[in-house]
Amino acid sequence: AQSVTQLDSHVSVSEGTPVLLRCNYSSSYSPSLFWYVQHPNKGLQLLLKYTSAATLVKGINGFEAEFKKSETSFHLTKPSAHMSDAAEYFCVVSDSWGTYKYIFGTGTRLKVLA
Amino acid sequence: GAVVSQHPSRVICKSGTSVKIECRSLDFQATTMFWYRQFPKQSLMLMATSNEGSKATYEQGVEKDKFLINHASLTLSTLTVTSAHPEDSSFYICSAGASGRANEQFFGPGTRLTVL
Repeated sequence: AQSVTQLDSHVSVSEGTPVLLRCNYSSSYSPSLFWYVQHPNKGLQLLLKYTSAATLVKGINGFEAEFKKSETSFHLTKPSAHMSDAAEYFCVVSDSWGTYKYIFGTGTRLKVLA
Repeated sequence: GAVVSQHPSRVICKSGTSVKIECRSLDFQATTMFWYRQFPKQSLMLMATSNEGSKATYEQGVEKDKFLINHASLTLSTLTVTSAHPEDSSFYICSAGASGRANEQFFGPGTRLTVL
């Protein structure tokens, strides 16, 4: 069975400093992995996805993530935080080909301090 | 591409009434659609999966008779909350899977339901 663990429920960073949001997964098969962002009272926006191509994935708004099979990790990073990055971030695993079913992490709330 | 809309974005209703939420894929055919529920400051909880023309598959603990899901076409799924009560107040989000974009879901903007 697949699962995903977001190691931090809250992360605070100062504006202009790097962001690291951690995600570990468990999957019996070759997984697809996603990071989504959700601003208050909004739907989910896809930041980036890994689907067995390049292990370093670049997404929107300067975010990127690296798929590390040996560590079963897919951490999200950004070199320099912006105030507008403050939001909830979800790591998602999907490894049932054709069923589209997602397993969501519990989310990490990112706070950006001025 | 791959845009999903939801209507309404917000709805307030009285206890005991029924509410219908629509989810549409605007520029693709959605073979599979999903309905999620999200409580404040929590992750998304999958309620059910529906395939066009088939009965929805509900997750454990979700009442089929309370949350009626219809997926009558490849671009439309509806969620009807029957005899709504205050504890049904929540943020409901739909998503859709597109043929040829395996393993990826496209999310709607969500519907905020408040039951008085």
